[in-house]
Amino acid sequence: SQQGEEDPQALSIQEGENATMNCSYKTSINNLQWYRQNSGRGLVHLILIRSNEREKHSGRLRVTLDTSKKSSSLLITASRAADTASYFCATGETGGGNKLTFGTGTQLKVEL
Amino acid sequence: DGGITQSPKYLFRKEGQNVTLSCEQNLNHDAMYWYRQDPGQGLRLIYYSQIVNDFQKGDIAEGYSVSREKKESFPLTVTSAQKNPTAFYLCASSPGLVPYNEQFFGPGTRLTVL
Repeated sequence: SQQGEEDPQALSIQEGENATMNCSYKTSINNLQWYRQNSGRGLVHLILIRSNEREKHSGRLRVTLDTSKKSSSLLITASRAADTASYFCATGETGGGNKLTFGTGTQLKVEL
Repeated sequence: DGGITQSPKYLFRKEGQNVTLSCEQNLNHDAMYWYRQDPGQGLRLIYYSQIVNDFQKGDIAEGYSVSREKKESFPLTVTSAQKNPTAFYLCASSPGLVPYNEQFFGPGTRLTVL
């Protein structure tokens, strides 16, 4: 089963603009992670936010988490063509150990 | 160089044949995972192992089998019982048995059943 639904499914922006992706989930979680996947490749971990955190930054990435709404957002600022990829949220359910449940992903295209 | 490797990158098989996908890691991670990804979709968990000689079914285990005889290896067999095996298969590992661990992914194996 896929817990996370991402919105939008696809996003096309110009280089230099900001990109925002949203993730909604259904159950109680202890952490939420964002991953990036270039076409035909494995996933790369971007950032992890725990359920008791509301916001986290890493370089040009900003992640927010609202556990009352069961949602998270990933903001990429000053986007570059190299940011073109698919982005997935993944949730670690409370009591689920180290298993993750992945969302459906957002395809981001950054054009020059 | 530490990492997680999968081989082969592309695999073609005839319908009705079993096929084994390799996954090896030298990160000294306890936990390993197998996911399936279909076009335009997210990852679905097939099997996972939290420790050597132990593994659990994920959400879509039917038609698949695994073994975990060594810490660094977690091969996946796609059996002829899997109704729609053509997909992109991803292996991952993580450090331990507790949450808040990121997963490290291999490059994937694209399996096509003809």
